Amino acid sequence: EVQLVETGGGLIQPGGSLRLSCAASGFTVSSDYMSWVRQAPGKGLEWISVVYSGGSTYHVDSVKGRFTISRDTSKNMLYLQMNSLRAEDTAVYYCAKGGMDVWGKGTTVTVSS
Amino acid sequence: DVVMTQSPLSLPVTLGQPASISCRSSQSLVHSDGNTYLSWFQQRPGQSPRRLIYKVSNRDSGVPDRFSGSESGTDFTLKISRVEAEDVGVYYCMQGTHWPRTFGQGTKVEIK
Repeated sequence: EVQLVETGGGLIQPGGSLRLSCAASGFTVSSDYMSWVRQAPGKGLEWISVVYSGGSTYHVDSVKGRFTISRDTSKNMLYLQMNSLRAEDTAVYYCAKGGMDVWGKGTTVTVSS
Repeated sequence: DVVMTQSPLSLPVTLGQPASISCRSSQSLVHSDGNTYLSWFQQRPGQSPRRLIYKVSNRDSGVPDRFSGSESGTDFTLKISRVEAEDVGVYYCMQGTHWPRTFGQGTKVEIK
């Protein structure tokens, strides 16, 4: 069964850093592009980052320079390193496979003092 | 960035009746490979999004055939032929042709 499980969320102060992880099973993370999508409380979906099967990455402007997506094919894991966190980064963060046919349950990040 | 505009944003429906959600893109979603990458997602209360439709009109595995997708140029439509109680939730369109991927604002479907 193809599955994604996100971990690493929590309460963090503004300006802090956090690394989210996404464990994949049933497929290899390098076989398709992998994305992070977030959803602020009561709001819609916002795609933020992708790592292509070839390894190159792309980030939306609102997180560019602060967030970094990466993967570890030996562990079959996807990551999102988040630095210089702001209150507006508060959201549930989902990882998703390829054309978003598979999503994890999400992990909650709260940025607050 | 491509702007995806959904309407209506709220859709009260009667059980057993049809429902329709529209999504308009600010530019063509026809990819250089000839495909149109427009997807529809359902997000039930308290759950992760679930893809229902990909490439405009293809249903994902396990999606009931009461869900259908269509297009007319840059206008896309998700139709539910007969709404059931389990269809309550928020529906999003998303374009997968251009980077960054962009979603519509969401349409909340509720039972009257």
